[in-house]
Amino acid sequence: GENVEQHPSTLSVQEGDSAVIKCTYSDSASNYFPWYKQELGKRPQLIIDIRSNVGEKKDQRIAVTLNKTAKHFSLHITETQPEDSAVYFCAASIYKFSGGYNKLIFGAGTRLAVHP
Amino acid sequence: NAGVTQTPKFRILKIGQSMTLQCTQDMNHNYMYWYRQDPGMGLKLIYYSVGAGITDKGEVPNGYNVSRSTTEDFPLRLELAAPSQTSVYFCASSSPGTDTQYFGPGTRLTVL
Repeated sequence: GENVEQHPSTLSVQEGDSAVIKCTYSDSASNYFPWYKQELGKRPQLIIDIRSNVGEKKDQRIAVTLNKTAKHFSLHITETQPEDSAVYFCAASIYKFSGGYNKLIFGAGTRLAVHP
Repeated sequence: NAGVTQTPKFRILKIGQSMTLQCTQDMNHNYMYWYRQDPGMGLKLIYYSVGAGITDKGEVPNGYNVSRSTTEDFPLRLELAAPSQTSVYFCASSSPGTDTQYFGPGTRLTVL
């Protein structure tokens, strides 16, 4: 079945360093790849997303890259700050062609700790 | 807009009891979803709906039921609670063509 693998499961960095989280997906038809940030006890919040017709997207300190040939995409956070500490989830869309609607398959998450 | 709201926030059930988790969205989204999140894990899709009267199973539907009588509401029913259903349940919604899913605050359910 469809799945999304996410690495690493935990990541510890010093404030100001960069952090990179990588995901691999299995369904070559996937064309939407969001990243969610989840703080402890809170709901997942979308931080950035990318579609298959784009190779890279950037929003201030956050960027996402997509390699469709290799079926992997990555989240890059530069100049990390303690408030970036959270669990980050990647996801890939699974489309139902007859219905035209999408489902998301989520990775298992990466716990990022940014130390002052 | 309140976005996606869920009730209750917390609930403790005994084995074999039943309950309904409520989810409401005020964004006029056609698509709605129920996920469960086990400790330290990602989100697993339980059921989803593409509009009033239309529902379908996700990855982990066993032990759950849903209905969608209105665009706004998408309740999740647990008929015979089991300890394996201890989890945090998130409801989400999205609009056709935009793909972005907006999540509710979650319901933390414990089955003892």
